[in-house]
Amino acid sequence: EIVLTQSPGTLSLSPGERTTLSCRASQSVSRNQLAWYQQKPGQVPRLLIYGASSRATGIPDRFSGSGSGTDFTLTISRLEPEDFAVYYCHQYGSSPGTFGQGTKVEIK
Amino acid sequence: EVQLVESGAGLVQPGGSLRLSCAASGFTFSSYAMSWVRQAPGKGLDWVSSISASGANTYYADSAKGRFTISRDNSKNTLFLQMNSLRAEDTAVYYCAKYMDAYNPVPHNWGQGTLVTVSS
Repeated sequence: EIVLTQSPGTLSLSPGERTTLSCRASQSVSRNQLAWYQQKPGQVPRLLIYGASSRATGIPDRFSGSGSGTDFTLTISRLEPEDFAVYYCHQYGSSPGTFGQGTKVEIK
Repeated sequence: EVQLVESGAGLVQPGGSLRLSCAASGFTFSSYAMSWVRQAPGKGLDWVSSISASGANTYYADSAKGRFTISRDNSKNTLFLQMNSLRAEDTAVYYCAKYMDAYNPVPHNWGQGTLVTVSS
């Protein structure tokens, strides 16, 4: 199975800052079928990005995804107060699907 | 509006069995692949299993193979997860999720989840 490693584990940032989260796969992700989710405490995961770079419906354009093969990134151009959460990458190009361990974005 | 409502969870002893259900509404259930994803308390997301729209194809995480069975009843718009030989490490909130579409087999809409606790 493909192992996804996210870095860093935690980011301490201020509102208004720009940030980039990394997701590295142990082998190439088929057809760049890589997604990003946001999860806040007590809430269900919310799909942000699919196909490495396509925003899901209703997702603000401050969220963007890029990358291919084994290296992917999620960029938040300007952090809003509601963006402080845990972010997971997920590859669905190969079975079994796998998730990264998550990156927590916390308020500094 | 897509709605997914899980049920069937609870406390079960190690080695026991449990059957989860997910009632779907607000979309043409028989047209979409579905999946189960779990999350242990305070931990990350863990993909468990998925099933094609027709039910003909099923997929499992290594941790679920041989113990869990995913199925669906398209006439009743319901997804199931039969879990046998349960272990303490299966303790988690189990979410059912609807895939985006046939071209993007990624969990898009999620239920609120149901807690399975495996303990003696």
